[in-house]
Amino acid sequence: GDSVTQMEGPVTLSEEAFLTINCTYTATGYPSLFWYVQYPGEGLQLLLKATKADDKGSNKGFEATYRKETTSFHLEKGSVQVSDSAVYFCALSTLASNTGKLIFGQGTTLQVKP
Amino acid sequence: ETGVTQTPRHLVMGMTNKKSLKCEQHLGHNAMYWYKQSAKKPLELMFVYNFKEQTENNSVPSRFSPECPNSSHLFLHLHTLQPEDSALYLCASSQLTHYGYTFGSGTRLTVV
Repeated sequence: GDSVTQMEGPVTLSEEAFLTINCTYTATGYPSLFWYVQYPGEGLQLLLKATKADDKGSNKGFEATYRKETTSFHLEKGSVQVSDSAVYFCALSTLASNTGKLIFGQGTTLQVKP
Repeated sequence: ETGVTQTPRHLVMGMTNKKSLKCEQHLGHNAMYWYKQSAKKPLELMFVYNFKEQTENNSVPSRFSPECPNSSHLFLHLHTLQPEDSALYLCASSQLTHYGYTFGSGTRLTVV
C-alpha cells in the first residue's frame, strides 16, 4: 500500500544552520506531496506542496522538490531560526481513493537552539 | 484562524461521561476527517466523510461515534472512554482533489 517514511528525530540544530529532513514515499499512481508543520499546542498547517514530478514547493524559506526517480520529497531550509522548532510531517495524496485522503509520515521533531 | 474551528480546545472527562467534540468549516470543502494524535505515535485516521456520507471507519471502537449533519459540521460523540483515549483529536477538511487538508487546532482530551 501507499506509505511515507521520514527520518527519525529529534533533529537538533543551532540557529542559522542548514536543515534537511528526509522523506521518501511508496505510491501507486501519481501522488501529490505535502509538508505540514505542527507548532506546540496547535494543529497541522500546510507548509508547502508539489503536485507533479520536478515541481518545487516553497514557503517561508523552506523548499522541497518532488523527485520521482528517487521517490523523495526532502525538506530543506538554508538558515533555521528558533521559531522553526516544531514537528514536520511529510504526506502524500493519490487519486486512487478519489477522496483526497492524505497518508502521513510519522513526523520529525526539529529543535533549534539559539 | 485556519478556517476550520474545533471546540472545545481542552476537555477533561471521566470514564462514565458523555461528551461531544465539534468541528466547523466554511471553506466550501466537501470532505471532513477525524484524526487522533497520541504522544509518540503516528497520526491515526479515524473517520472520513464525503458529502456528509461516511466513507471510511478505520476500525475505531464504538465508544467513538461520528456525526456529519451537513458538509460544514462534524461531530465526534464520546462515551465510556478509557484513559488510553487521551490524545489530541484533530479535525480536517478538504476538497476532493490533491489540494491537501486544512486542519483545526485540535481538542486536547484527557480521560480520567
